[in-house]
Amino acid sequence: DSGVTQTPKHLITATGQRVTLRCSPRSGDLSVYWYQQSLDQGLQFLIQYYNGEERAKGNILERFSAQQFPDLHSELNLSSLELGDSALYFCASSPQGGTYNEQFFGPGTRLTVL
Amino acid sequence: SQQGEEDPQALSIQEGENATMNCSYKTSINNLQWYRQNSGRGLVHLILIRSNEREKHSGRLRVTLDTSKKSSSLLITASRAADTASYFCATTITGANSKLTFGKGITLSVRP
Repeated sequence: DSGVTQTPKHLITATGQRVTLRCSPRSGDLSVYWYQQSLDQGLQFLIQYYNGEERAKGNILERFSAQQFPDLHSELNLSSLELGDSALYFCASSPQGGTYNEQFFGPGTRLTVL
Repeated sequence: SQQGEEDPQALSIQEGENATMNCSYKTSINNLQWYRQNSGRGLVHLILIRSNEREKHSGRLRVTLDTSKKSSSLLITASRAADTASYFCATTITGANSKLTFGKGITLSVRP
C-alpha cells in the first residue's frame, strides 16, 4: 500500500459525459501527478500540482482539467468524453516537486467510456 | 513520445534464474527509475539511480546506468514467481521538471 488513495476504482460512462477522479496523496506529500495509461499510448504524464499550484503540464487535452485543494487532495476532471479516453488514470505523489523524488502511485481509476 | 525503450518486450524465465531487463533513452537525464506494475494495478517504485551514479543495489535488484550509451539495466537475481509483473523504466530529463517519462514496459513471467 503506497498511501495514495484514488476514487472511484472503476467508472463506466457514456460519450459526451463529464467525470471527476479524486486523489488523496500520502500524508505530508506536497506534489501530485496525474498519469494516463492506455494500450496504445502507454503511460503518459498529464499534469503536476505542487502545494496547490500547477507545476508542469504534459499531454493533457483541453477537455481535461485538474486542481489541487488546500488539503492537498487533487481532482482530475474529464469532460466531453470520447471512446479514446478509456484508460487507467493514476495519481502519484511525492514529498516535494524535485527531480530526485520517487513517486508513489495510487491503485488507479479505470475509466470505460461506452 | 516515449523517452525510454525497454528490451526485451517480454521475458519468461524459471524461478531461481536471473532476469535482466534493459532500457535505452534518447536525451540527457537527471535520473532514471524502475517501477513494477502487477496486472492492472498501481506502479511500485523499485529503485532510482542518478545521472552521476553508475550502479545501485537494493536487495535482489541491481541497476546500472551508462550515460554515454544512454542505457540502463535492471537485474533481478534469484527470481521468484512473485516477481511476475510488468517493469517500466522512467526518466526525468535534464532541464525539465520532475515529470516521469515512461517506456512501454517489459512483461516478466517467472515460472514456478
